[in-house]
Amino acid sequence: EDQVTQSPEALRLQEGESSSLNCSYTVSGLRGLFWYRQDPGKGPEFLFTLYSAGEEKEKERLKATLTKKESFLHITAPKPEDSATYLCAGIAYSGGYQKVTFGTGTKLQVIP
Amino acid sequence: DTEVTQTPKHLVMGMTNKKSLKCEQHMGHRAMYWYKQKAKKPPELMFVYSYEKLSINESVPSRFSPECPNSSLLNLHLHALQPEDSALYLCASSQEGASTDTQYFGPGTRLTVL
Repeated sequence: EDQVTQSPEALRLQEGESSSLNCSYTVSGLRGLFWYRQDPGKGPEFLFTLYSAGEEKEKERLKATLTKKESFLHITAPKPEDSATYLCAGIAYSGGYQKVTFGTGTKLQVIP
Repeated sequence: DTEVTQTPKHLVMGMTNKKSLKCEQHMGHRAMYWYKQKAKKPPELMFVYSYEKLSINESVPSRFSPECPNSSLLNLHLHALQPEDSALYLCASSQEGASTDTQYFGPGTRLTVL
């Protein structure tokens, strides 16, 4: 069974305190990995897609990397507005459709 | 523009009611998805439409009935729901449903079943 595990479950940072979120996966036939940000009661907001080990992508204070077994989302000098739940999701292609398996997320709180 | 819209934002219904959720996108995407998300849980796939045809039904109970009238519109018809069906219902779309396509999500409909 495909599985995506995120750690830590929750993370509290001071403004400006950099850290990393972890996403480990066992997805059969993995084609890539999504990172999304989700605010309470809202839909996930797309951040990155990573397709192959060694790939890195950046957006403002966020940098995502991918290895053969896990992905990291590094947050540099976070601000309170970065507070959200960050979801990663493994992408497979099965039976002619894209199948996405989400992790349970890391809830990030950035304190001013 | 990567906008997916959903209406209504909130819905409260009794177990005997019939209601519908609506999802719309104007990005020219040909794959559309319904997900269910319970509190503090990740989204779970319910249905996949590809080129207006139902491709995947992830063993969803028949009280949920999807419909794709055209390439821009996706509905979810609800009937005789149970309180445990209360959740955030998310719609997403992607270009064609290929393995490399990005899924863009709408804001969701918060459903409460009394």
